[in-house]
Amino acid sequence: QQQVKQSPQSLIVQKGGISIINCAYENTAFDYFPWYQQFPGKGPALLIAIRPDVSEKKEGRFTISFNKSAKQFSLHIMDSQPGDSATYFCAASGDFGNEKLTFGTGTRLTIIP
Amino acid sequence: DVKVTQSSRYLVKRTGEKVFLECVQDMDHENMFWYRQDPGLGLRLIYFSYDVKMKEKGDIPEGYSVSREKKERFSLILESASTNQTSMYLCASSFPRSKQFFGPGTRLTVL
Repeated sequence: QQQVKQSPQSLIVQKGGISIINCAYENTAFDYFPWYQQFPGKGPALLIAIRPDVSEKKEGRFTISFNKSAKQFSLHIMDSQPGDSATYFCAASGDFGNEKLTFGTGTRLTIIP
Repeated sequence: DVKVTQSSRYLVKRTGEKVFLECVQDMDHENMFWYRQDPGLGLRLIYFSYDVKMKEKGDIPEGYSVSREKKERFSLILESASTNQTSMYLCASSFPRSKQFFGPGTRLTVL
């Protein structure tokens, strides 16, 4: 059972544009929502994360928007650059003390000049 | 910088072989994890360990076992490799309730 659904599977955005990746979850016990970025040949690395007590978190050009009632969260990349081309995974975990992350299926983002 | 290293980047094994994948972290993290990554399926947790000699099953433990005799080392064992275990295997480590740091992965092919 896929508990975190991610879309789209792939995304092509022009340089300078906004990249948007969406995730939806089912488990209302989830209380931590990170996004990981993975470049080819590398392991994923934490990009940004949010907890449900806020609706938005911004770090530089990267923003997470969180909608608790809809059980959805999204990653926005402003002024997208070719160096942002990577695979992005959303994830979720919950229940205080539960370390298990449930990952989405990933989005391959390509930024074209 | 945190470093998570995996023993091999690429590995080719035969069906039925016993396979050991090793992971070492240098940040004194309590937690260590093994995932497999497959196209279209994302990362799926196989096992994790929250202390030496402690382990807990993830979402897909069947066909795998783990060993953690020392805090810095976490091993994934395929007792009898099968072709459906061909995948990218990722190790990660973390402090409790903190971000996970991933190794570069081991691409395992079972023929």
